[in-house]
Amino acid sequence: SQQGEEDPQALSIQEGENATMNCSYKTSINNLQWYRQNSGRGLVHLILIRSNEREKHSGRLRVTLDTSKKSSSLLITASRAADTASYFCATDGLNYNQGGKLIFGQGTELSVKP
Amino acid sequence: DVKVTQSSRYLVKRTGEKVFLECVQDMDHENMFWYRQDPGLGLRLIYFSYDVKMKEKGDIPEGYSVSREKKERFSLILESASTNQTSMYLCASRLGPGGPSYEQYFGPGTRLTVT
Repeated sequence: SQQGEEDPQALSIQEGENATMNCSYKTSINNLQWYRQNSGRGLVHLILIRSNEREKHSGRLRVTLDTSKKSSSLLITASRAADTASYFCATDGLNYNQGGKLIFGQGTELSVKP
Repeated sequence: DVKVTQSSRYLVKRTGEKVFLECVQDMDHENMFWYRQDPGLGLRLIYFSYDVKMKEKGDIPEGYSVSREKKERFSLILESASTNQTSMYLCASRLGPGGPSYEQYFGPGTRLTVT
C-alpha cells in the first residue's frame, strides 16, 4: 500500500496565488522528499527535509514536516503558469539496507491559470 | 548533471511478447530503481538494485524480472507481456546509502502499450 497520501488530488489556482499541498505518511522516516512531474515526463527532485528538521526553504518553495502528525506540506508562493505539474511526496524509510527505497504518494495535480 | 536515459519513449508490443526496457545512468550511482506509474495509483516500485548483480523485489514484482550486469545499466524484462502491463515505466538512480545525496534521478519514462 502507498505510504503517502496527498491532499488535495487536484488544485487549480490563478497565477500569483500560493499553492499548498499536503502529504501524510504512516511509518517512521529518515527524510521526506518532494518531486515534480511535468505531463508525460520523468520526475524531478525539488526539495528534501530530514526527520529532525521542521521547515525548509528553496526559492519559492517552503516545506514543513511534522513527525508527530506524520505529515508534510509543500507551499509554492507566487505561482506561475510554468508551475503547472503533478507534485509527489516520497518518504525514505529508516532501513539502511533498503538501498534508498522511496515510497511515493499518489500526487497532487496543480494547474496554474495565467 | 546526472543523466538517466531510457531506451524508448514509446513502445507498442503484442500480448505474449518478451519486452526489454533499458535504463542507463552516467553518474556511477550504486542504486537503481524501476517504477510503474498508473493514473490514481501513483508510482509503484517494481524492482530495485543496490549494486551490480544485486536485486530486490519491490511492491509489485510479479510478471517482471531485472538484470544488472554493469553498474550503469539496469534492465527491466517483461517475460510475457500482458495488457495489464500497459503503463508508464520510470527508471531512477541514486548514490548509495550514506552518500551525500538521498534524491533519486529519473529518466524520461517509457510509455508501454501492450495490445
